[in-house]
Amino acid sequence: ETGVTQTPRHLVMGMTNKKSLKCEQHLGHNAMYWYKQSAKKPLELMFVYNFKEQTENNSVPSRFSPECPNSSHLFLHLHTLQPEDSALYLCASSQDLITRNSPLHFGNGTRLTVT
Amino acid sequence: AQSVTQPDIHITVSEGASLELRCNYSYGATPYLFWYVQSPGQGLQLLLKYFSGDTLVQGIKGFEAEFKRSQSSFNLRKPSVHWSDAAEYFCAVAGGTSYGKLTFGQGTILTVHP
Repeated sequence: ETGVTQTPRHLVMGMTNKKSLKCEQHLGHNAMYWYKQSAKKPLELMFVYNFKEQTENNSVPSRFSPECPNSSHLFLHLHTLQPEDSALYLCASSQDLITRNSPLHFGNGTRLTVT
Repeated sequence: AQSVTQPDIHITVSEGASLELRCNYSYGATPYLFWYVQSPGQGLQLLLKYFSGDTLVQGIKGFEAEFKRSQSSFNLRKPSVHWSDAAEYFCAVAGGTSYGKLTFGQGTILTVHP
């Protein structure tokens, strides 16, 4: 039990589909993150939310749309994706952006395949 | 901008042997450094972190890492590897005061032979 739960674990979608990834954390944290892990590439930070406010969009294409309705939940809405978007999408949380002794806690990820 | 290099993509060791995984970082000020481990199909688990103070930090599962500013390195070590340590290991750096916005290295895959 990681404290950060992601659903679904696996997702296969066509390029014209619309789907959403869900992340929920039970740690009382206030910052949540989306990272992308592609094969043979370092993990890439996509979005950061701190106290429900988006603080960073790391030049992510608009076909990825995050939503953070509260500090415990984070969504990533997907539409008209490309095959190169196939990757493991990892959600993480931390106490906030500035507390030193609160590193990232990761979920187990959603393995996304775009066909 | 900060960056992290893990020179070894894949390392193979025998069970019981010692292990050192290399990590070099680039950052202009005092870095905040982390090692994470990822088992297949899992997310990343924090092994240890360095913020300041003692340059030798202890982590979980018997791992330790040493921060060497002069070499811009933060190498991970374990004196005796267990088969369950087989996984992928990631070094990461946080810049400034945003401890959650990490820049990761490409990872090192560790294989352990019986």
